[in-house]
Formats: sequence, structure tokens, C-alpha cells
Amino acid sequence: GIQVEQSPPDLILQEGANSTLRCNFSDSVNNLQWFHQNPWGQLINLFYIPSGTKQNGRLSATTVATERYSLLYISSSQTTDSGVYFCAVATGNQFYFGTGTSLTVIP
Amino acid sequence: DTEVTQTPKHLVMGMTNKKSLKCEQHMGHRAMYWYKQKAKKPPELMFVYSYEKLSINESVPSRFSPECPNSSLLNLHLHALQPEDSALYLCASSQTGTSGTRADTQYFGPGTRLTVL
Repeated sequence: GIQVEQSPPDLILQEGANSTLRCNFSDSVNNLQWFHQNPWGQLINLFYIPSGTKQNGRLSATTVATERYSLLYISSSQTTDSGVYFCAVATGNQFYFGTGTSLTVIP
Repeated sequence: DTEVTQTPKHLVMGMTNKKSLKCEQHMGHRAMYWYKQKAKKPPELMFVYSYEKLSINESVPSRFSPECPNSSLLNLHLHALQPEDSALYLCASSQTGTSGTRADTQYFGPGTRLTVL
């Protein structure tokens, strides 16, 4: 199956800092989503972004499908941004989650 | 409304018990999914239902039995589970299972935390 690697695996930020999370995938994909999993386990949709760039408030994402990677930018981080960030890709009928980035934002 | 609900939130069961997990969505979505997530790991796909038919079974042991009674409901029947089956079980839905379109954007429920003793 397709390999989906995320980096860094762990990230600790001071409140107000900016960060970039990366998602690399090993084959062509039809779909790519970014999720935030809060400490209670809820997966929250951030972006549907198989290609191109999107922005939503302090978050933005860019996918370069031809080079098989996607980036998630978090600006002016807040403590509520803490949790695990996953990218997930789909190819055919198969869905694969990345390895995740665990983000801790400290006041 | 992009809500997927799951019940129960927590479940503790013995290895000889039979229990069921329930998932419901009222977004008119026609594809529904079960995932299993162990601590500090990403979710792993178990089953996909598309238009109420099982379309993907990721080699899941038969002690897990999915059921899709109608387009809004998805059940996961559990029988003779092992302690290693303890995990967070997540349900998701998407408008369709048409990969490559926005219609297969997945929306997740809050999960059921299962403990098998």
C-alpha cells in the first residue's frame, strides 16, 4: 500500500509561534485531507486539498501533487491548537492516514 | 450539519461478551467507514460501506462484524474479542466513495473507547 510519512513527529511551540507540518506520500493520490485530533480523540476536518493552496484563518495548506507532498502551516499558534495532526490520502478505494505530528503549544 | 454520532462513548467488555457499536449520520452521505485507532498510532481502515453494500474489508478478523441497516446507520458487532482489540473505534462518512472528488471528504464521529478485559 501507499506510504504516508509526516514530519516532524513531535513539535513543541511557544504560544504565538508559527509552524510548518509536512506530509510525504509514496504514490499518486486522488484525495488528501488534513485533520486535527484533539486530546479527546475527535478528528476534525481542516482541509480537503488534493492540490493547490487553501487558507482558513490562521491555517493554510499547500499540496504539490506532482512532487507528492503537502504542507500545513499554522500561524500565531494557540494552546487550543495542541493535539495530533494527520494527513490522510486516498487512492482508488483505499484510504491511508499518515504517521501524525503531535503538537504541544505552551503558554 | 456535519455531525456523525457514535454510541456508546465508552465500552468495557469481557472476552465472552457480545456488544455492538453504533454510528449515525443525517447528512445524506452514502459511504460510511469504520476505523480502529490504537494509542499514539494513526487510524487504520477496517470496513467501507458504499450505498449500503460492503465494498472494503481490510482483512479484519471475523470477531468484528459490520452491518449497514440503512444509509444513515452503521453498526459494528463485537464477539469474542481479545484484549489487544482494545482501542478507539472511529466511524466516518462521506457524501460518496468517489475517490478524487470533494464528495469523498470524510467526516468523523467522536469515537467509542473500547476496553476488552
